[in-house]
Amino acid sequence: DAGVIQSPRHEVTEMGQEVTLRCKPISGHNSLFWYRQTMMRGLELLIYFNNNVPIDDSGMPEDRFSAKMPNASFSTLKIQPSEPRDSAVYFCASSSSGQGVEGYTFGSGTRLTVV
Amino acid sequence: TQLLEQSPQFLSIQEGENLTVYCNSSSVFSSLQWYRQEPGEGPVLLVTVVTGGEVKKLKRLTFQFGDARKDSSLHITAAQPGDTGLYLCAGSTDKLIFGTGTRLQVFP
Repeated sequence: DAGVIQSPRHEVTEMGQEVTLRCKPISGHNSLFWYRQTMMRGLELLIYFNNNVPIDDSGMPEDRFSAKMPNASFSTLKIQPSEPRDSAVYFCASSSSGQGVEGYTFGSGTRLTVV
Repeated sequence: TQLLEQSPQFLSIQEGENLTVYCNSSSVFSSLQWYRQEPGEGPVLLVTVVTGGEVKKLKRLTFQFGDARKDSSLHITAAQPGDTGLYLCAGSTDKLIFGTGTRLQVFP
């Protein structure tokens, strides 16, 4: 298995532009999670899906952030418009159980820089 | 808000030394996991502990879950440069909440 695949690995964009991050979870995993990691705040859960349905989006910082999971093999996280404070590493993770007892498998992340 | 505090935040030691990292919370978790993250990569699961008082060993790493399932510790014996990385604990309820992290540097 190729693991959780995220794209792009790096993204540099200007303030105000739309940014779309992509994730392909591990086949057969029914839970998908988007996390954001910064030095100041550590690893924060933004949103998670179970069987393609958003379960908890309480971590999404603002209406500028949105996430979709149109099918079991693909998810996107969109920021529109982007701001410099959105600069962070965004991780996607998947699991065969929402409660994570089996552990989460993380992708390699997307490093976003908004200038 | 559930918080998982890790200590120390930073640890810099010589190869061969022993160390312990702590993970504390006021909340009870159904299980607790430890991950290690290397630069440019996502966290990788090391172990899951489920039962209060449980101890698990992974080669030179020993993990313990507190009796009340609110805290955990990670002990590394005879640390090696390959142990260098960010160690994260994560508590599970309906989702995983990650701790603040401990950045370990082991010098040869």
